[in-house]
Amino acid sequence: KAGVTQTPRYLIKTRGQQVTLSCSPISGHRSVSWYQQTPGQGLQFLFEYFSETQRNKGNFPGRFSGRQFSNSRSEMNVSTLELGDSALYLCASRISGVSYEQYFGPGTRLTVT
Amino acid sequence: GESVGLHLPTLSVQEGDNSIINCAYSNSASDYFIWYKQESGKGPQFIIDIRSNMDKRQGQRVTVLLNKTVKHLSLQIAATQPGDSAVYFCAENKGASSNYQLIWGAGTKLIIKP
Repeated sequence: KAGVTQTPRYLIKTRGQQVTLSCSPISGHRSVSWYQQTPGQGLQFLFEYFSETQRNKGNFPGRFSGRQFSNSRSEMNVSTLELGDSALYLCASRISGVSYEQYFGPGTRLTVT
Repeated sequence: GESVGLHLPTLSVQEGDNSIINCAYSNSASDYFIWYKQESGKGPQFIIDIRSNMDKRQGQRVTVLLNKTVKHLSLQIAATQPGDSAVYFCAENKGASSNYQLIWGAGTKLIIKP
């Protein structure tokens, strides 16, 4: 079974621009979570989607948003990029909303210049 | 802010020896704990998990111990191999599975010496 896939793997953007990252969960998984990983802050939870609905949200500004499609694929969007948004963005999927075990994709490395 | 913390940022272990990575967590109500391994350029990889109603759980060459009295979690890796070199993260889930929001530790870098 294929793992969690994320596209693109690397991205360079300029301050003020917006970006959309994509995540395809493991087949059959309905929950998708997004995390931001930086050297200074470590791994931080952004939000979780289940059955196209956002169920949980971390402490990030409204510039960070996401959505989930009926096939469980998810996108996250960051508007008005700031230098501090440079990070590895990780997507993880769970088979259901009550399963704890979570599987991660390889991440998208976003660099904001 | 609130966090799950790790005592040692870097741990060097001789190949073949056992290693222990420690983690302190902050929330007594956390019901689920998990260890991940992250190799350079990759996403975190699930190693082992444990629920709060357990004290110990064993996997292949790994054991997780949970001490709720002192809010401490540890990962033991037996007979370490070069492939075990990675950053190891512990994480706790504060809420129920339907309110899944992992709080992550800072990570411990494990170096396996040949």
